[in-house]
Amino acid sequence: QKEVEQNSGPLSVPEGAIASLNCTYSDRVSQSFFWYRQYSGKSPELIMSIYSNGDKEDGRFTAQLNKASQYVSLLIRDSQPSDSATYLCAVNILPYNTDKLIFGTGTRLQVFP
Amino acid sequence: DADVTQTPRNRITKTGKRIMLECSQTKGHDRMYWYRQDPGLGLRLIYYSFDVKDINKGEISDGYSVSRQAQAKFSLSLESAIPNQTALYFCATSPSLAEYNEQFFGPGTRLTVL
Repeated sequence: QKEVEQNSGPLSVPEGAIASLNCTYSDRVSQSFFWYRQYSGKSPELIMSIYSNGDKEDGRFTAQLNKASQYVSLLIRDSQPSDSATYLCAVNILPYNTDKLIFGTGTRLQVFP
Repeated sequence: DADVTQTPRNRITKTGKRIMLECSQTKGHDRMYWYRQDPGLGLRLIYYSFDVKDINKGEISDGYSVSRQAQAKFSLSLESAIPNQTALYFCATSPSLAEYNEQFFGPGTRLTVL
């Protein structure tokens, strides 16, 4: 089992819809969880971080964390074509003070007009 | 203004050549990282450094070496490049006092080894 798993996609949603991206992780003691957006040929850009169970909202983005089930998700409301990118989930697999992230391979999102 | 810069942005080299990729940052972060990204394999950690005197191997350090010349500079070297080192290379930084280890990436270097 991979340490951080994501469905590679592509996930195709119409403009204006909610896109739901999911990530599961294997280490029960993970403390920090991140979502990065990466456009083709560009570098990953941090868009959300979450550390506690529940939801965290920032504009059109909502991150959801469930440590008991070991998954973290990202919801994008009112999806726009400019949201079309690969979304990477990253997890600190050890207690937070060790400062190393493990990345999933990413989910490609396509938003069509 | 870029906080994390990488040079060169693109490089084509031949098998057996020595090559250095450079990373500089103006974010004032102590921690710096080198990753490579390959299609289907995601981002993998090559080396990381928590301060100037601290260098650590990541999961795929074979064939690579690094140098932390200053707090702001972290270089990655391929002593004898081989074709399977063709990849996209990213430098990243994070602040040592951050409780939750947010990492910020440079623009990347696309390396092709023929």
